[in-house]
Amino acid sequence: AQSVTQLDSHVSVSEGTPVLLRCNYSSSYSPSLFWYVQHPNKGLQLLLKYTSAATLVKGINGFEAEFKKSETSFHLTKPSAHMSDAAEYFCVVIHKAAGNKLTFGGGTRVLVKP
Amino acid sequence: EPEVTQTPSHQVTQMGQEVILRCVPISNHLYFYWYRQILGQKVEFLVSFYNNEISEKSEIFDDQFSVERPDGSNFTLKIRSTKLEDSAMYFCASSPGTGAHTDTQYFGPGTRLTVL
Repeated sequence: AQSVTQLDSHVSVSEGTPVLLRCNYSSSYSPSLFWYVQHPNKGLQLLLKYTSAATLVKGINGFEAEFKKSETSFHLTKPSAHMSDAAEYFCVVIHKAAGNKLTFGGGTRVLVKP
Repeated sequence: EPEVTQTPSHQVTQMGQEVILRCVPISNHLYFYWYRQILGQKVEFLVSFYNNEISEKSEIFDDQFSVERPDGSNFTLKIRSTKLEDSAMYFCASSPGTGAHTDTQYFGPGTRLTVL
């Protein structure tokens, strides 16, 4: 069975400093992975996705993630946090053989301090 | 840019009542989904729908739940007899099913359901 684990439920950063959100996955085959963001009272917005074309994936708003098979990780980073990055972030794996259902991690809530 | 829309944004109902949550997926998408997020918990998959039939459903999606695509644009989730534990944010999503982003799911803003 495929699953994802987000290692931090909360992350607090200062504006202008780097952001690191950690995600580990478990899969018996090469997974397709996503990061979604949820701003307060908003829906889920796709940040980026990994589908085996390239291990370093660039997304919207300056975010990127690196797929590391040896570490079963898919960590999300941004070099310089902005106040607008305050949100909850979800690491997600897709089960293509099960109707494309998505399995979500527990989420990481990011607080950005001025 | 096309987006998934959901109505209503908030729904309050009495326990035992039927509710219908409505979604308009992105035009020309072929796959449709419902997820829910109980306050403080993970986002959970409920059901996926393709070619006018359910392709996958979770254990949560019991006989009280049903989905329908009544016309070419709407996708609905019906809960026949709501329970207190059905209170959650319900998200609709759709994916193209073809092309470069075939399996990327695009989410609506959600419907917050409160069962009293």
